[in-house]
Amino acid sequence: EADIYQTPRYLVIGTGKKITLECSQTMGHDKMYWYQQDPGMELHLIHYSYGVNSTEKGDLSSESTVSRIRTEHFPLTLESARPSHTSQYLCASRGSWNQPQHFGDGTRLSIL
Amino acid sequence: EDQVTQSPEALRLQEGESSSLNCSYTVSGLRGLFWYRQDPGKGPEFLFTLYSAGEEKEKERLKATLTKKESFLHITAPKPEDSATYLCAVQAGSGYSTLTFGKGTMLLVSP
Repeated sequence: EADIYQTPRYLVIGTGKKITLECSQTMGHDKMYWYQQDPGMELHLIHYSYGVNSTEKGDLSSESTVSRIRTEHFPLTLESARPSHTSQYLCASRGSWNQPQHFGDGTRLSIL
Repeated sequence: EDQVTQSPEALRLQEGESSSLNCSYTVSGLRGLFWYRQDPGKGPEFLFTLYSAGEEKEKERLKATLTKKESFLHITAPKPEDSATYLCAVQAGSGYSTLTFGKGTMLLVSP
């Protein structure tokens, strides 16, 4: 059973604030991902990592940044939040390439 | 560019009324097709992986099949607890490729 945790689950915050969304997994997976999901729309990949000190941008342009200093931790940061950043952010991890991605329950972010 | 199209967008069934969800895809070299279930306020939950045309997987009332152009998720005698959004995703190209998701089918099963 996959164990991947995201905090906070919900965040309502004002424009211009710096935000960090946390994602941790306990399976020792090398590969981790961040997706953005709006209601009724597909998941869009915004960042991914193949291991410590490895980060790549995904298909959807995002003003967020990520870091991967430890295998189990993959935080996403918005330096200055804007209303356009309002969305649900989902984190996922996987082991080998023939294994599925396992998802956390997401952070629903609202920027006022 | 990889593309995944799911239909219908929404489906309402009576309890016990079997049906199928469709996932059409266009990719360069399919390495895997994944089905997920997503409940409101939750992350996607993995259901099946299919790797090659002709492959089938089953789990309780769900059965997934794969052809060279599409996949079907068959739901037999659904129950209200099967209500969820069902997502399809493909992994294509090299082993380092990422997943491309469809928009999902929202299924509502009424008692």
